[in-house]
Amino acid sequence: QSALTQPPSASGSPGQSVTISCTGTSSDVGTYNYVSWYQQHPGKAPKVLIYEVSKRPSGVPDRFSGTKSGNTASLTVSGLQAEDEADYFCSSYGGTTTVVFGGGTKLTVL
Amino acid sequence: QVHLVQSGSELKKPGASVTVSCKASGYSFTTYSMNWLRQAPGHGLEWMGWINTKTGSPYYAQAYTGRFEFFFDTSVSTAYLQISSLKPEDSALYYCATDYVLRGHKAFDLWGQGTTVTVSS
Repeated sequence: QSALTQPPSASGSPGQSVTISCTGTSSDVGTYNYVSWYQQHPGKAPKVLIYEVSKRPSGVPDRFSGTKSGNTASLTVSGLQAEDEADYFCSSYGGTTTVVFGGGTKLTVL
Repeated sequence: QVHLVQSGSELKKPGASVTVSCKASGYSFTTYSMNWLRQAPGHGLEWMGWINTKTGSPYYAQAYTGRFEFFFDTSVSTAYLQISSLKPEDSALYYCATDYVLRGHKAFDLWGQGTTVTVSS
C-alpha cells in the first residue's frame, strides 16, 4: 500500500490561512471518509487534529478544518499562529483494517 | 489519567533482536486494540499494524511481515513489538497508539512517547 502524497513544505504568515493537501487513491481516501490529520511538534508524539475528514476532537481549535474531494483531502489552518509551526501528517483507512499515512508536511510560520 | 508509556531507547547491533514495550494505564487494556507505527528520518509516519488485545490476533502491514511481531501480556497491561534480525534501516522511532476516545473512528488519539531504536555495528 503506497503512502499518501503530501507536499513536503508549506508556509504562511501569522493570521493567514494555509491549506495542506493529501492525495491518495480510490482504494483509500477516495472510498473511505476516514481521513485523519495529525500535528507533530519536534520531539513530541503526533496529536490528532481532524478525524473522519472534517471532525475535530474536543479541544482542537476551530482554526483547523478538513475537507475531501475525490482522492484528495485537505487540511486548512486559518489565522496562523506561531505555535502552528509543526509537521502535519494525513492518514486514511485503506480497507481490511489497514491505515496509510502521508509523508508529512512541514509548516513554517513566517 | 490515561497513558501509554514506552520503554527506553535501544542500541543494537545488526542481526540482534529488540523488544519495545508499551504499558497502558488508566483504561481497560483489552478494550482497545494497539497499533504500532514507525517514524524514520525522512520517511514520515508508517503504520506497521495492530493487535487485537481481546483475541490476540495481529495484523501486519505489508512491509512489516516476517521479522516483526506484536504480542501483549494482559496481566501487566503491556503490548510489545519485537523486531528480529535487525538491520540498520530498522533504525527509527517506534510508537504505540490506540483510538481511545475516538474508538472506531480510525484515528489515533492516545500515543506512547516513542522509543528510539538504533541499529549500528
